Amino acid sequence: QKEVEQNSGPLSVPEGAIASLNCTYSDRGSQSFFWYRQYSGKSPELIMFIYSNGDKEDGRFTAQLNKASQYVSLLIRDSQPSDSATYLCASYTGGGNKLTFGTGTQLKVEL
Amino acid sequence: DAGVIQSPRHEVTEMGQEVTLRCKPISGHDYLFWYRQTMMRGLELLIYFNNNVPIDDSGMPEDRFSAKMPNASFSTLKIQPSEPRDSAVYFCASRRDGYYGYTFGSGTRLTVV
Repeated sequence: QKEVEQNSGPLSVPEGAIASLNCTYSDRGSQSFFWYRQYSGKSPELIMFIYSNGDKEDGRFTAQLNKASQYVSLLIRDSQPSDSATYLCASYTGGGNKLTFGTGTQLKVEL
Repeated sequence: DAGVIQSPRHEVTEMGQEVTLRCKPISGHDYLFWYRQTMMRGLELLIYFNNNVPIDDSGMPEDRFSAKMPNASFSTLKIQPSEPRDSAVYFCASRRDGYYGYTFGSGTRLTVV
């Protein structure tokens, strides 16, 4: 089992809809979780992080963490074509200094 | 701040040649990470440094790979000899102690033919 798992997609949503991206992790000791956005041919860019159970909102983005079920999700409200990218979930594993990434979910927002 | 700076952006080399990738982290960042990204395996951590000291190189694929950080503002990743299976995008990232998010450089796309 991979330490951080994501559905590779693609996930297609119409413009204006809510996009829901999910991630599960295996290390119960993981405390912090990150969502990166990566446009094709570009480097990953940090968009959200969450440490506590529950929801964290930043503009159109909401990160959700459920430690009991070991999953993290990212909701994007009012999806725009510019949100089309690969979204990478990551967490610290093995002692706290190494970010382990999932393989990413490709999101396509269609007009 | 100029961000994490990597060079070159693209490198095409022949099998067996030595390749050196370079990285300048953000000033004041204590940690530096080298990752490799491929379609098949995603982002894989190769090695990371804390205050210029290598801490964990368990992700380095084999002895052909080596990394150094001679000072706080410069790191290299060297592959010698290079092989076609080393073709990937290599990212450098850095972060401050006490802040957990990384900042990535723009990456080096390596093609070994």
